[in-house]
Amino acid sequence: GAVVSQHPSRVICKSGTSVKIECRSLDFQATTMFWYRQFPKQSLMLMATSNEGSKATYEQGVEKDKFLINHASLTLSTLTVTSAHPEDSSFYICSARHDRGLQETQYFGPGTRLLVL
Amino acid sequence: QKEVEQNSGPLSVPEGAIASLNCTYSDRGSQSFFWYRQYSGKSPELIMSIYSNGDKEDGRFTAQLNKASQYVSLLIRDSQPSDSATYLCAVKRAGSYQLTFGKGTKLSVIP
Repeated sequence: GAVVSQHPSRVICKSGTSVKIECRSLDFQATTMFWYRQFPKQSLMLMATSNEGSKATYEQGVEKDKFLINHASLTLSTLTVTSAHPEDSSFYICSARHDRGLQETQYFGPGTRLLVL
Repeated sequence: QKEVEQNSGPLSVPEGAIASLNCTYSDRGSQSFFWYRQYSGKSPELIMSIYSNGDKEDGRFTAQLNKASQYVSLLIRDSQPSDSATYLCAVKRAGSYQLTFGKGTKLSVIP
């Protein structure tokens, strides 16, 4: 399968600081990437759809000014959590759409665990 | 509202048995179907995709799709303790890039 990486895998930060998470498709180009959040023992929650060269599309209830998404190239999307607070502590997972026509598939990165103190 | 339903489990099977995981979906416009495995504390990993009616086999895994019944299943033969995880069913509608996920079924394979 295709490979998606995320960096960092784990980050601890102080309340009020900003944290940037990178998502890279390593062996394919991804015009579309997705950002999810998952709290312990809960389901994946889609936060936003990241489109290369255009603005991200945010899901209802997700603050676009707090979760800044940039998809500047066909292999890289970044999520910046601005002015992080303890309630932003979560497991953030990206995925990349591998466009193979009718058999397109989404591959997930390994996730980034964020702890805001 | 487009929904994907899975039995939350836990589903417990003895080692060596067949584990059967089921998923139903409500959107008849669904075109692509996926099974992801998620170990505790890890991200989802794609294990099977299926796009047409019938069975698709890959090693110990078989995905079954019945679009008329809006039903997709995953069979795991010769279950191993390492198969213990949460299995997520995901569905993609034609013309959409997003996946709709079920809440997942937790599988425990007992040695």
